[in-house]
Amino acid sequence: EPEVTQTPSHQVTQMGQEVILRCVPISNHLYFYWYRQILGQKVEFLVSFYNNEISEKSEIFDDQFSVERPDGSNFTLKIRSTKLEDSAMYFCASSLNGVTGELFFGEGSRLTVL
Amino acid sequence: GENVEQHPSTLSVQEGDSAVIKCTYSDSASNYFPWYKQELGKGPQLIIDIRSNVGEKKDQRIAVTLNKTAKHFSLHITETQPEDSAVYFCAASKSSSASKIIFGSGTRLSIRP
Repeated sequence: EPEVTQTPSHQVTQMGQEVILRCVPISNHLYFYWYRQILGQKVEFLVSFYNNEISEKSEIFDDQFSVERPDGSNFTLKIRSTKLEDSAMYFCASSLNGVTGELFFGEGSRLTVL
Repeated sequence: GENVEQHPSTLSVQEGDSAVIKCTYSDSASNYFPWYKQELGKGPQLIIDIRSNVGEKKDQRIAVTLNKTAKHFSLHITETQPEDSAVYFCAASKSSSASKIIFGSGTRLSIRP
């Protein structure tokens, strides 16, 4: 069964460092998302991406965040200068038909900022 | 913007009994309501969804109900089994493509043997 894959599974970084989280969505999907989940809290929307541009972003997704689909298969989330409060599980998701169809989530990348 | 409230935050039921999780939403324009199950160390997985033109939907032991007037929807799991133990999230969104899903705060369901 096709699945969304994410790397790394866990990354530890120092505050102020840049981090790139990588995702390979399901190959025929057209809509891509990043969500995050701070430990014990709800899953929060960060950004949606369609047709090579951001469709919508939340207030969490400030200038420190960026997304890119560099090569038609990968979908990356970059945090330029990490803060302690960026520590969370980051989930990538993809969908064939936007949110009117099923969102498939990856297993997440745990980011720990020290 | 949309706000989704979910309760209870934790729920423990005897194996074989039913479990009910309830959610409310604030944006009357929301018309798609998925439910996700998250097992330890994994991403959320869609288990059932309902659209606003339907009041109830059932899939084996799982059913969802939607009351548009009251803006609340519920998940019902019957004949619970140990593998039902997980965190369950309700969510809401509008049907415009690529729009965001807003999640509830989650319910940790434990099934007692």
